[in-house]
Amino acid sequence: NAGVTQTPKFQVLKTGQSMTLQCAQDMNHEYMSWYRQDPGMGLRLIHYSVGAGITDQGEVPNGYNVSRSTTEDFPLRLLSAAPSQTSVYFCASSYLGVSPYYGYTFGSGTRLTVV
Amino acid sequence: GDSVTQMEGPVTLSEEAFLTINCTYTATGYPSLFWYVQYPGEGLQLLLKATKADDKGSNKGFEATYRKETTSFHLEKGSVQVSDSAVYFCALRAGQGAQKLVFGQGTRLTINP
Repeated sequence: NAGVTQTPKFQVLKTGQSMTLQCAQDMNHEYMSWYRQDPGMGLRLIHYSVGAGITDQGEVPNGYNVSRSTTEDFPLRLLSAAPSQTSVYFCASSYLGVSPYYGYTFGSGTRLTVV
Repeated sequence: GDSVTQMEGPVTLSEEAFLTINCTYTATGYPSLFWYVQYPGEGLQLLLKATKADDKGSNKGFEATYRKETTSFHLEKGSVQVSDSAVYFCALRAGQGAQKLVFGQGTRLTINP
């Protein structure tokens, strides 16, 4: 089925460990983004990309790195995990352009716990 | 900066009750407005949208009208069902060429049979 695939679904890390959250989409969307969801705070944008080789920071980028080597993949890297990064992470993608607006397609999320 | 404010939850209703979830926004330019729904254990799904003043978005019995004069986009449904239990997010995309969505904090809705 076409959509956004995130792996893993669950992960427990120790403080200081590194890991990569994977995101892949098969809809040829130019725009991809990472959000984190925390209770009472909605979704906050971490990083986004408007195409292969182009990335930019969102609202809460500290502690996270991204790259976009292909249209399909947009991995999120935690270089040294901290308890403050315990959250649910969502990847979302979309076509670029204003009219018509297509809406974002979200992955099912990765629940990360840092102990 | 751009922001979205939703009514605080959680909201608990009985089946067949009338639902309103308030959403107001602050934005530069002329934003597009959205409601997303998140069912337990799943990602967000687009529920409805409106891209200009007085537009009414509708889907699955839910409606919301883009009110520029009150900067609001309240979500309504005339008769809720248990299956409507979810978290609802109001969001905006601000102006021409903007790609980023700005979300409200979400409202958890529980419908009791």
